[in-house]
Amino acid sequence: GENVEQHPSTLSVQEGDSAVIKCTYSDSASNYFPWYKQELGKGPQLIIDIRSNVGEKKDQRIAVTLNKTAKHFSLHITETQPEDSAVYFCAASMGAGNKLTFGGGTRVLVKP
Amino acid sequence: GAVVSQHPSWVICKSGTSVKIECRSLDFQATTMFWYRQFPKQSLMLMATSNEGSKATYEQGVEKDKFLINHASLTLSTLTVTSAHPEDSSFYICSASGVGGRAYEQYFGPGTRLTVT
Repeated sequence: GENVEQHPSTLSVQEGDSAVIKCTYSDSASNYFPWYKQELGKGPQLIIDIRSNVGEKKDQRIAVTLNKTAKHFSLHITETQPEDSAVYFCAASMGAGNKLTFGGGTRVLVKP
Repeated sequence: GAVVSQHPSWVICKSGTSVKIECRSLDFQATTMFWYRQFPKQSLMLMATSNEGSKATYEQGVEKDKFLINHASLTLSTLTVTSAHPEDSSFYICSASGVGGRAYEQYFGPGTRLTVT
């Protein structure tokens, strides 16, 4: 089955700096890669996603890149703010209606 | 749009009793719903996948007789933890995916914290 690895497990950045989280996946059949933000005691919130026919996607301060050949994808957060502090999860699936396989999560702390 | 609710948000029950958790998609039809379990500081572990009107598909190692899942309509799925024990204490989260433009995305509920005493 699919295996998703996520690095780093913790990330501390100064407010205003950029944060980068990287994930690798094992199954070349995976074609959908979402990123979730989870705050303490809450459910994960979808923040951005990318499908395998696209190499990069951007939404304001958040961007995701995908390298299908290398089977890795990354989340980039620019101009970080304290409210960006949370746990971020990457995931992979084989598309519509299919289950997600999650990475282990990255705890991001933005220091003011 | 794409709001998923869960009820209750937290529940405390005694060992041996059963607990039902509801998951509702409020503004879209959810053809597929998923149930996850999450331990503190860990990732989400998929328990089962349910499609409306069909039996749920359980992940390996998940006891189907203990975790009963029903997906009776396109907006409601329920998880019943039967004969709960302290080791079942956890954060249970559901997610839903829809049709058409929402077939890929999974939207998560706020979670239910279960404590078994």
